[in-house]
Amino acid sequence: DAGITQSPRYKITETGRQVTLMCHQTWSHSYMFWYRQDLGHGLRLIYYSAAADITDKGEVPDGYVVSRSKTENFPLTLESATRSQTSVYFCASSEPGQGGKLFFGSGTQLSVL
Amino acid sequence: DQQVKQNSPSLSVQEGRISILNCDYTNSMFDYFLWYKKYPAEGPTFLISISSIKDKNEDGRFTVFLNKSAKHLSLHIVPSQPGDSAVYFCAGSYSSASKIIFGSGTRLSIRP
Repeated sequence: DAGITQSPRYKITETGRQVTLMCHQTWSHSYMFWYRQDLGHGLRLIYYSAAADITDKGEVPDGYVVSRSKTENFPLTLESATRSQTSVYFCASSEPGQGGKLFFGSGTQLSVL
Repeated sequence: DQQVKQNSPSLSVQEGRISILNCDYTNSMFDYFLWYKKYPAEGPTFLISISSIKDKNEDGRFTVFLNKSAKHLSLHIVPSQPGDSAVYFCAGSYSSASKIIFGSGTRLSIRP
């Protein structure tokens, strides 16, 4: 199906473990984004990418790593998970000239114990 | 530094009445302002936007007003319906679409 898909939907891990959240889009949008949603903070931008092999930091990048070797994939890696990274993570995509209109995935709920 | 602020965490409105959600911003460089709607266990979905050179944009029951001098925007929903119960996020973006910054959200509840 066309769209943007995230996996896994739910993930439980332990502190210190490496975790990778996957994001795949079928629209060939240039831009892709990772946000985290926390109570009281809304949606905060972690990293974004303007094209394959081009990534840049957002508001809260510490503790996260991204890569974008292909236009359609934008994985987010927590190198050594901490409890403060327990959150709901959303991937999104967009095209330039759309005025910031984003298309979001359904989210990954991550719990770090 | 919060560039986009939604100071009301929640709002309750009677069905059929007007819902007004507010948003303030500090970054004058935003080219667009947008509203997104989010239901539980789903990703946010785009609702309506406004260019920074305009002061009003209307789409059906939804109207967004922009007051640049006050750095304030608002979303009006008329009439409010039960399906409008959701969390609403305000956001600011640049024309390059490189960074879209969101507020903390307002939970709207429509009561019968």
